[in-house]
Order: sequence, then structure tokens, then C-alpha cells
Amino acid sequence: ENVLTQSPAIMSASPGEKVTMTCRASSSVSSSYLHWYQQKSGASPKLWIYSTSNLASGVPARFSGSGSGTSYSLTISSVEAEDAATYYCQQYSGYPYTFGGGTKLEIK
Amino acid sequence: EVQLQQSGAELVKPGASVKLSCTASGFNIKDTYMHWVKQRPEQGLEWIGRIDPANGNTKYDPKFQGKATITADTSSNTAYLQLSSLTSEDTAVYYCARARDYAPFAYWGQGTLVTVSA
Repeated sequence: ENVLTQSPAIMSASPGEKVTMTCRASSSVSSSYLHWYQQKSGASPKLWIYSTSNLASGVPARFSGSGSGTSYSLTISSVEAEDAATYYCQQYSGYPYTFGGGTKLEIK
Repeated sequence: EVQLQQSGAELVKPGASVKLSCTASGFNIKDTYMHWVKQRPEQGLEWIGRIDPANGNTKYDPKFQGKATITADTSSNTAYLQLSSLTSEDTAVYYCARARDYAPFAYWGQGTLVTVSA
């Protein structure tokens, strides 16, 4: 099983700040199969970034993703209040699929 | 429009079983795989398994072998998740999602809350 470890678990940022969260895999993952989801309280997860760096439909351009091998990141160039949510990375490098534990982003 | 409509919340007793449904519209489930994901209260996402409705082939996370059974009915365009021998550890929201292997989970159901309590 490819374990994904996200850090930090919780982060707080002020509007306008740049933030970066990371996702580290216990084994290498193809960048094509590393995805990010946004989940707000009480709602289903939404696909946010797919294949490391591609923004899903409707995702603001202030979001970006990068990485390769065992290390991936999601960056928000200028945080806005609506970005408050938990972000999960997910990988497929053979069964089972795995998700990271999530990074909760709080807005000050 | 692609939609995944899940069945309503369940309150079940310890030791019992429950079967959840996920009815698809806007696409044919035979053309994709249907996945199930667990989320315990205030916890992260766990992949349970998936089914290929075209042939009934299933894959599970080993943690859920013996606990979860995924089936599909192509005539009603519906996927099912059955959970057996329920304990408090099974109290969670269960989501269905559609995706072929390698593809991201672009579509999710609204989730079904299962509460295990005497």
C-alpha cells in the first residue's frame, strides 16, 4: 500500500497570503495519477487538481499543483476566504487507491 | 448531466447489515467503474473498493475484505455497498464515485450517513 502523508495537518492563513501544503508518498507515484480534492464541511469531496497540476473545471487560477516521484504540493498564490476547506491528495499506483490524511486550511 | 443519487441515512444496530445504493443518471455505469469511499466523523477519506459493472469484477482494500461487498445492477444503473457485522467503527458517511482506473474521481454522490447504535 502506498501511504500518503500530508503536512501540515492544519494551517491558518490570512487573506492574500501564499500557502503551500505537501503530500508525500511512501513509494513513487506517477504524476499522472496524483490528484487533489477539496472538501468543505458537510459536503462531498470535489476534484480540485488532477494529474498533479491540472485544475479541474471551475477551480480558480490562484491554485496550482506540482511535484513528482514521492513529493507533491498544492499552492494557493493568494488565499481567499472561500478557500477554507480540507484538501486531500489521492494516488493510484495499483490497488488499493489511497488518500492522504488531509490538510485543513483555516482563514484568519 | 452526470448525477449520483445515494440512498438515505441509516440507523442500524450493532451486528446487523446494511445495503446502500447509488443510482447513476446521465451515463451508463457499464462504461466506467463505481467506487465506494468511507469517511468517519471528523476523519479523512478511505477507499473501500470498486466494481466494474460490465462484468461484476471487484477490487477491495484488504482492510474492508469481509466487511464490504460491492455489487451493481446495470438494469437500474445502480451500484450497491453492503456492510456486514456492523460495529461503532462503521459509523461513517459513505460516498460513491465514478472513475475508470487511473482516472480521478470527478463525480461523487452526496453521501449516506450510517450510524451504528443500539
